[in-house]
Amino acid sequence: GAGVSQTPSNKVTEKGKYVELRCDPISGHTALYWYRQSLGQGPEFLIYFQGTGAADDSGLPNDRFFAVRPEGSVSTLKIQRTERGDSAVYLCASSGQSGTEQFFGPGTRLTVL
Amino acid sequence: KQEVTQIPAALSVPEGENLVLNCSFTDSAIYNLQWFRQDPGKGLTSLLLIQSSQREQTSGRLNASLDKSSGRSTLYIAASQPGDSATYLCAVNQAGTALIFGKGTTLSVSS
Repeated sequence: GAGVSQTPSNKVTEKGKYVELRCDPISGHTALYWYRQSLGQGPEFLIYFQGTGAADDSGLPNDRFFAVRPEGSVSTLKIQRTERGDSAVYLCASSGQSGTEQFFGPGTRLTVL
Repeated sequence: KQEVTQIPAALSVPEGENLVLNCSFTDSAIYNLQWFRQDPGKGLTSLLLIQSSQREQTSGRLNASLDKSSGRSTLYIAASQPGDSATYLCAVNQAGTALIFGKGTTLSVSS
């Protein structure tokens, strides 16, 4: 596609459940980023991939959060044992290479009941 | 630790006015700075990217400036229109990887 896509657009789950959020970056972009945005705040960095490897995962809040990018394209953010505090919009971005302009997807709104 | 601040938090102007949004950052050692627009319930749209070696970038009615030594950037919007109503976010890229965002300025342009 022409831009970054994310699925699902909305996800409602119950506390304690496992969720997966998917990101399809712009074709050919080697760098992929996950951010989390709470209401009234700017996005906060979670993890950055260069190719298949996680080059920086310093933003992941705890070990319930994990992300993969096995073939260097699509990425999945995985959250185990979800908590109500995980409710937020999860944004994915990609760039042609590290340090260049980042392009964002529409986000996945996660609600944990 | 890099911190990004945007002032004002909200701004209301009548259509046709020129306006300036401000962004400041605490660590001047940045790689680049990016301005985004976010409409309610939507993702971020990239407006302008300024490399650390540049002083300004222009796109249509938008002009962004960067003064790295003083830790400041401004986004100038000329002849504002109701369609410009949105939240504008400033973000700095410090190490060529993750962006660090401000909280944004919510702009409302009335017709």
